[in-house]
Amino acid sequence: EIVLTQSPGTLSLSPGERATLSCRASQSVSSSYLAWYQQKPGQAPRLLIYGASSRATGIPDRFSGSGSGTDFTLTISRLEPEDFAVYYCQQYGSSPPVTFGPGTKVDIK
Amino acid sequence: EVQLVESGGGLVQPGRSLRLSCAASGFTFGDYAMHWVRQAPGKGLEWVSSINWNSGNMGYADSVKGRFSISRDNAKNSLYLQMNSLRAEDTALYYCAKGASSGWFSVCQHWGQGTLVTVSS
Repeated sequence: EIVLTQSPGTLSLSPGERATLSCRASQSVSSSYLAWYQQKPGQAPRLLIYGASSRATGIPDRFSGSGSGTDFTLTISRLEPEDFAVYYCQQYGSSPPVTFGPGTKVDIK
Repeated sequence: EVQLVESGGGLVQPGRSLRLSCAASGFTFGDYAMHWVRQAPGKGLEWVSSINWNSGNMGYADSVKGRFSISRDNAKNSLYLQMNSLRAEDTALYYCAKGASSGWFSVCQHWGQGTLVTVSS
């Protein structure tokens, strides 16, 4: 089973700042089947990034994903007030088909 | 617009069964894999089960294998999760999610709002 580790656990930043979130896999993630989700309190998760670097429909270009193998990054270039949330990475290319990381909370400094 | 509406949650005693349903609309249901993902109160996301477009491939998390069964009815645009031998640790909000492709190696592209399952005596 591929275990995903996210760091940091909490990121305290101000609006306008850049956020860099890390997701590390215990084994290589095949074909970059790595996704990122955003979840706000009381809401369902929302897909942001799939295939490690492709933005989902309707996702602003301030969100970008990068990485391959075992190391992946989600970058939010300039934080907007609505971006403060919890972010999960997910691998969907190995058995079991889907595992999630524990999440990184981005909160307001 | 894709809509996924879960139902069937509630309070159930340990050891009992529950069947969750997910009604899908706004897309050709039979063309896509579907997933169940759960979230315990105050915790992170946990994948539960996936099924490909024609029910030819299914997968389960180790924590539910042998107790839960995923199925779908493409004629009714519906996804199901039969949950047997429920445990306290199964208490969670259960989300139905649409895959982005027909195969079960598929990202969770759209999510429902979830149905709450509480296992307690």
